[in-house]
Amino acid sequence: GAGVSQSPRYKVAKRGQDVALRCDPISGHVSLFWYQQALGQGPEFLTYFQNEAQLDKSGLPSDRFFAERPEGSVSTLKIQRTQQEDSAVYLCASSTTATNEKLFFGSGTQLSVL
Amino acid sequence: KNQVEQSPQSLIILEGKNCTLQCNYTVSPFSNLRWYKQDTGRGPVSLTIMTFSENTKSNGRYTATLDADTKQSSLHITASQLSDSASYICVFAGGSWGKLQFGAGTQVVVTP
Repeated sequence: GAGVSQSPRYKVAKRGQDVALRCDPISGHVSLFWYQQALGQGPEFLTYFQNEAQLDKSGLPSDRFFAERPEGSVSTLKIQRTQQEDSAVYLCASSTTATNEKLFFGSGTQLSVL
Repeated sequence: KNQVEQSPQSLIILEGKNCTLQCNYTVSPFSNLRWYKQDTGRGPVSLTIMTFSENTKSNGRYTATLDADTKQSSLHITASQLSDSASYICVFAGGSWGKLQFGAGTQVVVTP
């Protein structure tokens, strides 16, 4: 498909485990965002890439969270030593422009930490 | 404190009826205001996008308004359909690269 693809769709982790969430943006999209969405809430910004450069990581809640986009396309969000409060849906979005008016979201990865 | 407050938190409407969702904000400045629709288990999809200088924007049966004086936006859904059942989120974009600030959403359920 031509949309933003995220995998896995669901992830269950034991507390303390490391997880890696993948995002395949729409081909050619310059901008890529990661958001965290708690149940019943709107998405909260985590980090922003323009090509391979991470321009803003101010939303990452702790140093256990790390994101990369080494070749300016696929991105991975890694969470180390997962905690129960990390349970949420992690959304990835991409845009063809740097001003991001047209933002396309993936369906998210639902992370449950037990 | 969240700078984007949406009301009601949820509502149930009969198929074919109209409804209006509210968004009060204190975000300032911002470059544009967006309304997104989020189906259960899916990512948000853009419905409308308005600049600060616009006061209304339509997309089919969806009409968004913006009142900069009262710092309110609304989304009006006309002749609701079952497929309109979703969460509707008010979003502000600001900063040099359009950083988004989301409201918590209004959950709409359309019943037959």
